[in-house]
Amino acid sequence: DAGVIQSPRHEVTEMGQEVTLRCKPISGHNSLFWYRQTMMRGLELLIYFNNNVPIDDSGMPEDRFSAKMPNASFSTLKIQPSEPRDSAVYFCASSPRTDSRQPQHFGDGTRLSIL
Amino acid sequence: DQQVKQNSPSLSVQEGRISILNCDYTNSMFDYFLWYKKYPAEGPTFLISISSIKDKNEDGRFTVFLNKSAKHLSLHIVPSQPGDSAVYFCALIQGAQKLVFGQGTRLTINP
Repeated sequence: DAGVIQSPRHEVTEMGQEVTLRCKPISGHNSLFWYRQTMMRGLELLIYFNNNVPIDDSGMPEDRFSAKMPNASFSTLKIQPSEPRDSAVYFCASSPRTDSRQPQHFGDGTRLSIL
Repeated sequence: DQQVKQNSPSLSVQEGRISILNCDYTNSMFDYFLWYKKYPAEGPTFLISISSIKDKNEDGRFTVFLNKSAKHLSLHIVPSQPGDSAVYFCALIQGAQKLVFGQGTRLTINP
């Protein structure tokens, strides 16, 4: 079974540029999560979707961040314009049902560096 | 204001001995608790979980203990193996689906 697939694995870009991170959840999973990992704040939830609908985006740091899930097999996290403080590892995760007890399956992350 | 704390950033244990990883939390509303393991350049993977109605859950070499009165969670690995070297995160759920993660503990198993 293919796991959660994230692309790109690494992204280096200059501040002010638009950055788009992509995620393909595990087929059949109904919930999708975007996380950010930094040294200062650890792993923090940015937003999650159930059945393609955003449920909680309270973790999105500011309006420069947006996330979409146009269908069950694809999601994007966009940062526009990007800033150096956005540098982090961004993880996408999915889980089988909207049951909070279902473990989340993580992708291998996108390491983002904003110069 | 950290709701979940793993106070030991790192831990070194001899192969074959017991590894004990600790996690403290402040919010008594957390009702489900998980441990994730993370290797470098990979995403976290689920290891073991426990509900607030239990105080112990065991899966092979891994046992999770929950002390609700102390708001303390621990993961025991015995015997420890070199492949257990990784970063371990505790993660807590309150109500809905939001996981709140600890900062992680880097475990190194020495041969």
